[in-house]
Amino acid sequence: QKEVEQNSGPLSVPEGAIASLNCTYSDRGSQSFFWYRQYSGKSPELIMSIYSNGDKEDGRFTAQLNKASQYVSLLIRDSQPSDSATYLCAPGGGKLIFGTGTRLQVFP
Amino acid sequence: GAGVSQSPSNKVTEKGKDVELRCDPISGHTALYWYRQSLGQGLEFLIYFQGNSAPDKSGLPSDRFSAERTGGSVSTLTIQRTQQEDSAVYLCASSQASPETQYFGPGTRLLVL
Repeated sequence: QKEVEQNSGPLSVPEGAIASLNCTYSDRGSQSFFWYRQYSGKSPELIMSIYSNGDKEDGRFTAQLNKASQYVSLLIRDSQPSDSATYLCAPGGGKLIFGTGTRLQVFP
Repeated sequence: GAGVSQSPSNKVTEKGKDVELRCDPISGHTALYWYRQSLGQGLEFLIYFQGNSAPDKSGLPSDRFSAERTGGSVSTLTIQRTQQEDSAVYLCASSQASPETQYFGPGTRLLVL
């Protein structure tokens, strides 16, 4: 089992829809979780961090964490074409172990 | 303030040569990380430094790879006797501490011919 699992996609959603990105991880000791966005040819940039079970909202983004299920998700509301990128999940704790990412495509 | 900077932005080298990649972290950040991203792949952890502690070298793929961090700031990743499979983007990140949010530099694109 990989340490971090993400569906590679592409996940295609129409503009204005909700995009749901999911991630499972194997290390039960993980305490911090990060979602990064990476545009093609660019470096990852932080979207959200979450440390506690439940939901955390920031603008159009909501991160959801369930440590018992070892599951973390990212919801993007009112998706825009500019959201088209690869989204990387990373449980933290010093070094980050990244998933391979989910490619999101938002079409007009 | 200034972000993480890396140099060179691009490096083309011949197989068997040594290369040095530099990372200048955000001022005040005590933790520094190196990752590698091959074409179309995810990020692979290489090494991280936290303050004066011994670095975590668990991700280095072979003994041809080494890194140092001088004065708790600038870091250099050295690849000796480069191989074609070393071709990738090498990303550096820094954070105020570990496991706080990591901020990435623009990367160094390494091509080994």
